[in-house]
Amino acid sequence: QKEVEQDPGPLSVPEGAIVSLNCTYSNSAFQYFMWYRQYSRKGPELLMYTYSSGNKEDGRFTAQVDKSSKYISLFIRDSQPSDSATYLCAMEGQNFVFGPGTRLSVLP
Amino acid sequence: DTEVTQTPKHLVMGMTNKKSLKCEQHMGHRAMYWYKQKAKKPPELMFVYSYEKLSINESVPSRFSPECPNSSLLNLHLHALQPEDSALYLCASSRGPGPYSYNEQFFGPGTRLTVL
Repeated sequence: QKEVEQDPGPLSVPEGAIVSLNCTYSNSAFQYFMWYRQYSRKGPELLMYTYSSGNKEDGRFTAQVDKSSKYISLFIRDSQPSDSATYLCAMEGQNFVFGPGTRLSVLP
Repeated sequence: DTEVTQTPKHLVMGMTNKKSLKCEQHMGHRAMYWYKQKAKKPPELMFVYSYEKLSINESVPSRFSPECPNSSLLNLHLHALQPEDSALYLCASSRGPGPYSYNEQFFGPGTRLTVL
């Protein structure tokens, strides 16, 4: 079993939709949880990071962590074509691991 | 200044060449990282520098040689690379301290390396 699993997509949604991106993990030592956005041929850009279970909101983005289920989510409200990118979850505990990434396309 | 810069943007080299990648940040970050990213894959950690000292080497072949001349600069020296080393090489930095302070990493745009 991989340490971090993420549906690779591609995920296509219409503009304005609510997008749900998810990661599961197996290592209970992970304590920090991050979401990165990576546009094609660019470096990853940190969107959000959380430490504890619960929700964290920033504009149209909400990060959710459920440590008991070893499950994290990123919700994007009112999705825009400019949100089309690969979304990588990442986790840190005794080591640091990126998830494989989900490719998202928001269609105008 | 919240930017990590990397030069060159693109690099094509032969298997016998020696070249270097450069990374710079002026955010006062004390941890700097090199990652390798193949197409449609997540970044893979190669090296971590913490307070200008190499703290992590993820079993990277010796044909990749990192160097941290000061707290703002990170180099990756390349020698005798193989075609399979062609990838996007990303530099990142974070506040630190310590070797495991990856949260809030800032990434540069990367150097796209092609080895012929």
